[in-house]
Amino acid sequence: TQLLEQSPQFLSIQEGENLTVYCNSSSVFSSLQWYRQEPGEGPVLLVTVVTGGEVKKLKRLTFQFGDARKDSSLHITAAQPGDTGLYLCAAGRGGSNYKLTFGKGTLLTVNP
Amino acid sequence: NAGVMQNPRHLVRRRGQEARLRCSPMKGHSHVYWYRQLPEEGLKFMVYLQKENIIDESGMPKERFSAEFPKEGPSILRIQQVVRGDSAAYFCASSAVNTEAFFGQGTRLTVV
Repeated sequence: TQLLEQSPQFLSIQEGENLTVYCNSSSVFSSLQWYRQEPGEGPVLLVTVVTGGEVKKLKRLTFQFGDARKDSSLHITAAQPGDTGLYLCAAGRGGSNYKLTFGKGTLLTVNP
Repeated sequence: NAGVMQNPRHLVRRRGQEARLRCSPMKGHSHVYWYRQLPEEGLKFMVYLQKENIIDESGMPKERFSAEFPKEGPSILRIQQVVRGDSAAYFCASSAVNTEAFFGQGTRLTVV
């Protein structure tokens, strides 16, 4: 069974701080996706990383895919209260891009 | 361009009743996926459908659960004789061919 372990499970920080959350597995992925889910809403896709070692930036968010394509990280610079939410990583199973396996997520709270 | 529309947003059913969850995909999307999010667990794949076809139902419980995506109208996830353990958030996602999937806001089912 392909598992995605996310850490930390919970993170509470002050506005303006930087943070990094992680997504790790023993399996190699062809691609990996990061989502953000707000309370009472569905997951919203932030980014897809495909190439080992790839780095993608989305404003204050930086996503990195490990060289071996087994892990990924999300770094947020100068966090804002609007960044509060559940950050999920997901990867396709068996080479598919539809049967996604999700991690349990990191619940981030940014306090003003 | 409307996103993936799910209704109802909240559904309360007594044990033994039937629950019907509806999903209208984004315009131009012919692929629909259903996921379930249980408390303290990550999103779990249930079923993948295209118009009038079930492509992969490997994540569906063997009994009481069924899904359809008719030629006309929304996709329906049907749960017969609901039990308390069916209480969860059910998310639908849609995509075009070989493109990323977008999630709806979900239906929160509560069985009392």
